[in-house]
Amino acid sequence: DTGVSQNPRHKITKRGQNVTFRCDPISEHNRLYWYRQTLGQGPEFLTYFQNEAQLEKSRLLSDRFSAERPKGSFSTLEIQRTEQGDSAMYLCASSLSGQGEAFFGQGTRLTVV
Amino acid sequence: GDSVTQMEGPVTLSEEAFLTINCTYTATGYPSLFWYVQYPGEGLQLLLKATKADDKGSNKGFEATYRKETTSFHLEKGSVQVSDSAVYFCALKPTGNQFYFGTGTSLTVIP
Repeated sequence: DTGVSQNPRHKITKRGQNVTFRCDPISEHNRLYWYRQTLGQGPEFLTYFQNEAQLEKSRLLSDRFSAERPKGSFSTLEIQRTEQGDSAMYLCASSLSGQGEAFFGQGTRLTVV
Repeated sequence: GDSVTQMEGPVTLSEEAFLTINCTYTATGYPSLFWYVQYPGEGLQLLLKATKADDKGSNKGFEATYRKETTSFHLEKGSVQVSDSAVYFCALKPTGNQFYFGTGTSLTVIP
């Protein structure tokens, strides 16, 4: 297993455009998390899935953000009408139920110009 | 609410020096505690964990003990190396579903 995979690694987009990121978790993991990290800060929770069900969303997650996990495998995070404040590293993590620790991907760095 | 407070950096040490990075937490119930490390341009890697009071997590010479009485999980290493230069995050996972992270402590080890 190659671990959690995120694509693309880098994305530069113009303000107002839509972007979509993909996360492929470790294959047997049924929990999948999305976090956002800005420079000099720790990761902030965005949303969480158990299998295909989105169980929790942060109040930070505006209605421009949507996440899906069809069939409980890979997940996508879409940001509509991007704003400069959306510039950040978007991290995906997966874990096994009850095991505790999460394994992170290398992240997608988004720059909105 | 649940939160983690981490010692602010940056921290600069000479090779072979002793390292302590302080971490305290606020949580209800019995959370699990973690240290993650992030190298430049990379995602977070699990360094060590502890799931109950008095547990000691250890890995690669790093150690941290889950102290419920002081709500702390301080990271220590007896002799740091240049390759330990990175940002270290303390994290908390309560009985709910999400992880809570500290703001990170940047460590630079100079030869």
